[in-house]
Amino acid sequence: SQQGEEDPQALSIQEGENATMNCSYKTSINNLQWYRQNSGRGLVHLILIRSNEREKHSGRLRVTLDTSKKSSSLLITASRAADTASYFCATDALGQETSGSRLTFGEGTQLTVNP
Amino acid sequence: DGGITQSPKYLFRKEGQNVTLSCEQNLNHDAMYWYRQDPGQGLRLIYYSQIVNDFQKGDIAEGYSVSREKKESFPLTVTSAQKNPTAFYLCASNARLTGRNYGYTFGSGTRLTVV
Repeated sequence: SQQGEEDPQALSIQEGENATMNCSYKTSINNLQWYRQNSGRGLVHLILIRSNEREKHSGRLRVTLDTSKKSSSLLITASRAADTASYFCATDALGQETSGSRLTFGEGTQLTVNP
Repeated sequence: DGGITQSPKYLFRKEGQNVTLSCEQNLNHDAMYWYRQDPGQGLRLIYYSQIVNDFQKGDIAEGYSVSREKKESFPLTVTSAQKNPTAFYLCASNARLTGRNYGYTFGSGTRLTVV
């Protein structure tokens, strides 16, 4: 079963606006990761946040993690048309034989940034 | 440049045939993974391997088989027992021994269609 659930399923915004995507998960985690996928391509790792971290930044990306609510958000600021893609959260759950041995992915948010 | 190479990019399978998808990495990563992605959905784990000559079933292993005879290679065979094999298949790797908090590196995928 899918660990993460993204919200919304689809998001359409204008260039320059900010985009916020949310992810909820069910079990305790070691870390949570966000990935991007352009249509018909492989996934690209964007950012990883550990369970003891609450916020992390990378360029125009800002990720927050609330382990008490088992939720995370990804904010893309000043969006560009080239940001159009699907965005997935993935969780590395606690209690696995070796941390990082398997990620569980959500179903993704399709972001469209209109020029 | 280091990376993961999946081949072929497109593959067509007749009913009752076995087909093998190739995945090769030159990143010196210990762990390798196979995921399946259906249209508009997230990734589901088929098989994974954390070390040579060892692999574990994921969430949807039925109808698939793998081998890990070399660190660099993790081929996936889709057998005739897989009743609905049409999907996008993604291979990934991770530096397990040192990569507890690193993301996965993905290949560009193989699109398999049953004809």
